[in-house]
Amino acid sequence: KAGVTQTPRYLIKTRGQQVTLSCSPISGHRSVSWYQQTPGQGLQFLFEYFSETQRNKGNFPGRFSGRQFSNSRSEMNVSTLELGDSALYLCASSLTGGPQGEQYFGPGTRLTVT
Amino acid sequence: GQQLNQSPQSMFIQEGEDVSMNCTSSSIFNTWLWYKQDPGEGPVLLIALYKAGELTSNGRLTAQFGITRKDSFLNISASIPSDVGIYFCAGQGAQKLVFGQGTRLTINP
Repeated sequence: KAGVTQTPRYLIKTRGQQVTLSCSPISGHRSVSWYQQTPGQGLQFLFEYFSETQRNKGNFPGRFSGRQFSNSRSEMNVSTLELGDSALYLCASSLTGGPQGEQYFGPGTRLTVT
Repeated sequence: GQQLNQSPQSMFIQEGEDVSMNCTSSSIFNTWLWYKQDPGEGPVLLIALYKAGELTSNGRLTAQFGITRKDSFLNISASIPSDVGIYFCAGQGAQKLVFGQGTRLTINP
């Protein structure tokens, strides 16, 4: 069974631009969560989607948004990029999410904002 | 945001030694997960724990879900070079995972 895939793996953008990252979950998984990982803050939860609906959201500004498609693939968008948005962005999929949902991570997208 | 207290932050050990790390929280969790992350990759799930007091093994790895549901422990026996990496604990609350800051494991051959 194929794992979680994320594209692109690496991205360099300029301040003020916007970016869209993509995540394809494990086949059959309906929950996709997004995380930001930085050396200073560690792994921080961004949001979770289940059946095309945002089910939970972390404490990030509105510049960070996402969506999920009917095939469970998910995209994350960051608008008006800031230098501090440089990070590894990880998505994780699980069958149903929630308290018993084991989450499996993709390899991440390394975003560098200059 | 909410975080777990994971310790130690780093460990430098000799190959063959046993390793212990733990996570504590002020909140109760329903599930505890342990992940390992190699440089440039996403975290890989090692062990999942679902019940207070549960002790689960995966090869040389053993993890326990604390009785109070506020802590968890991971032990690695007879460490080998490929155990090098960063280990994260994660508590699953209502709908989201909360992560510890990680334990960086370095092994001297």
